[in-house]
Amino acid sequence: KQEVTQIPAALSVPEGENLVLNCSFTDSAIYNLQWFRQDPGKGLTSLLLIQSSQREQTSGRLNASLDKSSGRSTLYIAASQPGDSATYLCAVNPGGYNKLIFGAGTRLAVHP
Amino acid sequence: GAVVSQHPSRVICKSGTSVKIECRSLDFQATTMFWYRQFPKQSLMLMATSNEGSKATYEQGVEKDKFLINHASLTLSTLTVTSAHPEDSSFYICSAPGTGSGNTIYFGEGSWLTVV
Repeated sequence: KQEVTQIPAALSVPEGENLVLNCSFTDSAIYNLQWFRQDPGKGLTSLLLIQSSQREQTSGRLNASLDKSSGRSTLYIAASQPGDSATYLCAVNPGGYNKLIFGAGTRLAVHP
Repeated sequence: GAVVSQHPSRVICKSGTSVKIECRSLDFQATTMFWYRQFPKQSLMLMATSNEGSKATYEQGVEKDKFLINHASLTLSTLTVTSAHPEDSSFYICSAPGTGSGNTIYFGEGSWLTVV
């Protein structure tokens, strides 16, 4: 059974820091992996999607990497800003059927 | 870009009543949609897959008679929580896979259900 784990569970950093959020999954046979942002009480915003054949994806200050063989993905946020404060969720798509399996998330607080 | 809309965003109902939540794909067709539930400070858990024109498929442990799902058109899926109880209070959110390249999955804004 696929399980997704995110570390750390919570993170508080001063503005401007570069930071790394970690995601691990137990079954390397995934179709793709997606990182989402969730603001308190809100829905999900897709940040980056990495196909199983890809190693990384970049969007602005965000960079996500995927090491499928070791069951790991990282989300790198450069020059963090208070507006980045949110919960970041990692989700794997095991078989391409779009039934996502989510990690518990990392709650990020960036303070001025 | 593709947008998935949910309604209502918040609803409070009395114990024993039923509540319907709608999920719409606004600018694309979705033959399949997914319903998730999220309890406070927990992650999203898949409840069921909504299939246009056929029965929904439910994940293990989800009561299909309690959580009725209807996918009557290519742009609308509904989740009805029947005979709601306080333990059903949760954040319900739907998703639909996009039709373009990239396999992105789009989520609705979510619906907060409080049963009193």
